[in-house]
Amino acid sequence: AQSVTQLGSHVSVSEGALVLLRCNYSSSVPPYLFWYVQYPNQGLQLLLKYTSAATLVKGINGFEAEFKKSETSFHLTKPSAHMSDAAEYFCAVSRGGSNYKLTFGKGTLLTVNP
Amino acid sequence: SQTIHQWPATLVQPVGSPLSLECTVEGTSNPNLYWYRQAAGRGLQLLFYSVGIGQISSEVPQNLSASRPQDRQFILSSKKLLLSDSGFYLCAWSVRGRVDEQYFGPGTRLTVT
Repeated sequence: AQSVTQLGSHVSVSEGALVLLRCNYSSSVPPYLFWYVQYPNQGLQLLLKYTSAATLVKGINGFEAEFKKSETSFHLTKPSAHMSDAAEYFCAVSRGGSNYKLTFGKGTLLTVNP
Repeated sequence: SQTIHQWPATLVQPVGSPLSLECTVEGTSNPNLYWYRQAAGRGLQLLFYSVGIGQISSEVPQNLSASRPQDRQFILSSKKLLLSDSGFYLCAWSVRGRVDEQYFGPGTRLTVT
């Protein structure tokens, strides 16, 4: 079975600073990996996804993530944080094939300080 | 374009009362449909998913049930709510036959008192 661990339930950065949100996965087969963002009292919105193509994936709003098989990681980064990036971020893994389910991490709340 | 609707947006119900949450998808056919519950600090818990009309898979066999009476309609129900059923309920869809991202609705905030 696949699983996801997000290190740090709360990350705080200053506006303009680097954003790094960590995600490690466990999967017995090559995974499909996703990052979602959730603003307060809203649904989840896809930021980016990895589906076995390029290991560096670029998403919306200036975010990107790098798939590192040796480290079983899929960390999310953004070079310069904006106030509007304050939200909760979820990493998710799917096993692929005929398994249509996603397994989500517990989320990381990002706070951006002025 | 595809859209997903959920209603109601918020709901306050007493313990022991019934529940019906509805989700509909527009602009696509034969989607996979999902119900999640989100509790503070616990991420998203998959409750049910469906790959077709009348086909429901349960991930959490508690006092909740789901039905899919039409291709793009997914209903979450309970006969008697518990306090522990409080949470934020999210419906999502994905393209049938593909392992790909899921698209989420705006959610329903349920408070059981």
